[in-house]
Amino acid sequence: QKEVEQDPGPLSVPEGAIVSLNCTYSNSAFQYFMWYRQYSRKGPELLMYTYSSGNKEDGRFTAQVDKSSKYISLFIRDSQPSDSATYLCAPSLGNQFYFGTGTSLTVIP
Amino acid sequence: DADVTQTPRNRITKTGKRIMLECSQTKGHDRMYWYRQDPGLGLRLIYYSFDVKDINKGEISDGYSVSRQAQAKFSLSLESAIPNQTALYFCATSDASGTGNQPQHFGDGTRLSIL
Repeated sequence: QKEVEQDPGPLSVPEGAIVSLNCTYSNSAFQYFMWYRQYSRKGPELLMYTYSSGNKEDGRFTAQVDKSSKYISLFIRDSQPSDSATYLCAPSLGNQFYFGTGTSLTVIP
Repeated sequence: DADVTQTPRNRITKTGKRIMLECSQTKGHDRMYWYRQDPGLGLRLIYYSFDVKDINKGEISDGYSVSRQAQAKFSLSLESAIPNQTALYFCATSDASGTGNQPQHFGDGTRLSIL
């Protein structure tokens, strides 16, 4: 079983839609949870960084962690064409980060 | 200038050749990492270093070696390249200070093709 499972998509939505991106994980010991955004031909850039269960909001982005279900989500409100990218979840434990394979998102104007 | 710089950005080479990918950072971070990214497999850790005297193998270190020349420099070598090492390679850094795991910061990658 993989440490982190993420639906690769692709996901295509109209501009202004609410987007939900999700990951499941197997290791209940994970404590820190990150979301990265990766544009084509660029490196992943940190989008959200949360600790343990709960929600964290930053502008149009909300990261949600449910440790009881081992489920992490990223919500994007009022999606924009500039949000078109691949999104990677990355729970971590100790000094190790476990990256999901990424979900490809396209926001259509 | 980018905080994490990788050179070269693209490289095409032949099977059996020795290749070095270089990474330098201006973030002042102690920790540096090398990953490869393949479609459907995501990012996989090759090697990591927590300071100049510390080198650790990651998930897929076979066929690779690294050198931490200074706090700011971490290079990845393929001693004898083979076609299944064709991939996108990323260098990343993270801060060792504070509690918990600090997030990693990535360069823009090296696209390596081995014929």
